Amino acid sequence: SQKIEQNSEALNIQEGKTATLTCNYTNYSPAYLQWYRQDPGRGPVFLLLIRENEKEKRKERLKVTFDTTLKQSLFHITASQPADSATYLCALDLYSGAGSYQLTFGKGTKLSVIP
Amino acid sequence: SQTIHQWPATLVQPVGSPLSLECTVEGTSNPNLYWYRQAAGRGLQLLFYSVGIGQISSEVPQNLSASRPQDRQFILSSKKLLLSDSGFYLCAWSVGGYNEQFFGPGTRLTVL
Repeated sequence: SQKIEQNSEALNIQEGKTATLTCNYTNYSPAYLQWYRQDPGRGPVFLLLIRENEKEKRKERLKVTFDTTLKQSLFHITASQPADSATYLCALDLYSGAGSYQLTFGKGTKLSVIP
Repeated sequence: SQTIHQWPATLVQPVGSPLSLECTVEGTSNPNLYWYRQAAGRGLQLLFYSVGIGQISSEVPQNLSASRPQDRQFILSSKKLLLSDSGFYLCAWSVGGYNEQFFGPGTRLTVL
């Protein structure tokens, strides 16, 4: 069956370091992958989208890579700050049956940036 | 600019009672609309999506239903709530089906 795995439930890093979060998927070849940020008690906020023909995408201190051979995406936050502390979700378009593809989310990685 | 509203923000309901959650979107036309549930310790689960007025697709069997009476209004309902319906309910919209989704503030539902 198709699966999305964010292999760390929680990640603690020191302020100023680069945080690297991982998203792996199996049994599927998605056309694109997205990353969202979710703060406690709030809805997710879209950060970046990367397509299957793109290897890397950047936005300010954020960088996403997409390796379709390894079936993996890495999400980097450089020069991390305490304000970056949140849960980060990756999402893929997965086949949901009857010709329909829907965005399916991983369970997320809770990032804590320690001052 | 586009905004999405959900209400109520929190709700405590007894088992067996009905439910109605409302979501409205402003600043866009003919959006795709989605209802998700996020239970404690679990990921976002897609419940329903709609590509137009009166068009509803259900992703999981359950005692919930959804309706889209107007282009920018999406309603989640239940006739009789179960304990397992507790969770954080999120509405979202997108332009088309292959773009980023924009989420509302959510409704925290507790069924006692």
